[in-house]
Amino acid sequence: NAGVTQTPKFQVLKTGQSMTLQCAQDMNHEYMSWYRQDPGMGLRLIHYSVGAGITDQGEVPNGYNVSRSTTEDFPLRLLSAAPSQTSVYFCASSYNRNTEAFFGQGTRLTVV
Amino acid sequence: DQQVKQNSPSLSVQEGRISILNCDYTNSMFDYFLWYKKYPAEGPTFLISISSIKDKNEDGRFTVFLNKSAKHLSLHIVPSQPGDSAVYFCAASAKGSSGDKLTFGTGTRLAVRP
Repeated sequence: NAGVTQTPKFQVLKTGQSMTLQCAQDMNHEYMSWYRQDPGMGLRLIHYSVGAGITDQGEVPNGYNVSRSTTEDFPLRLLSAAPSQTSVYFCASSYNRNTEAFFGQGTRLTVV
Repeated sequence: DQQVKQNSPSLSVQEGRISILNCDYTNSMFDYFLWYKKYPAEGPTFLISISSIKDKNEDGRFTVFLNKSAKHLSLHIVPSQPGDSAVYFCAASAKGSSGDKLTFGTGTRLAVRP
């Protein structure tokens, strides 16, 4: 059982480049979310989805896009990378909001 | 506006003693609270949760207490073990239109000394 799989684990981008962070889960969870973790800031919600075809903004959505075409996948797109987007990104899924969320191992992104 | 606050960035405890991690919240709409543990280079893992209709939930060495009037919850680990050394995040979710998302605190780093 793979759980939540994030790729890549590490990435270095130049300012202005775009890229997609991949997230897939095999638990048939409806809820999926993307967070970023920065020193002293905890985990901040970027975007989330309550089911295929439904997405909504979290606390820090600017500069990021998401889509949810299938239950399994929830990619996060950086449109034009900025140094302020240097962070560790976590994808999570859960059956519903009141159940435990399973997190991926994270993607460490550096924008230079 | 930090709706979930963990005011102690770090805590050091002797092995075998009790660890108490604290969390305060400001949003009275929060009705479900969770604790996650995170080791370096790994994603957070769920530890224990509590609904607002309860004031205590216990799971082995871990107990979460909720004081709704004070908008405060705490995680007790008894006895503490070196393997408990990690960053602990408190999280909360609310009823209503924004009820589908978790709000996390900034975390407390627990070090358990052998």
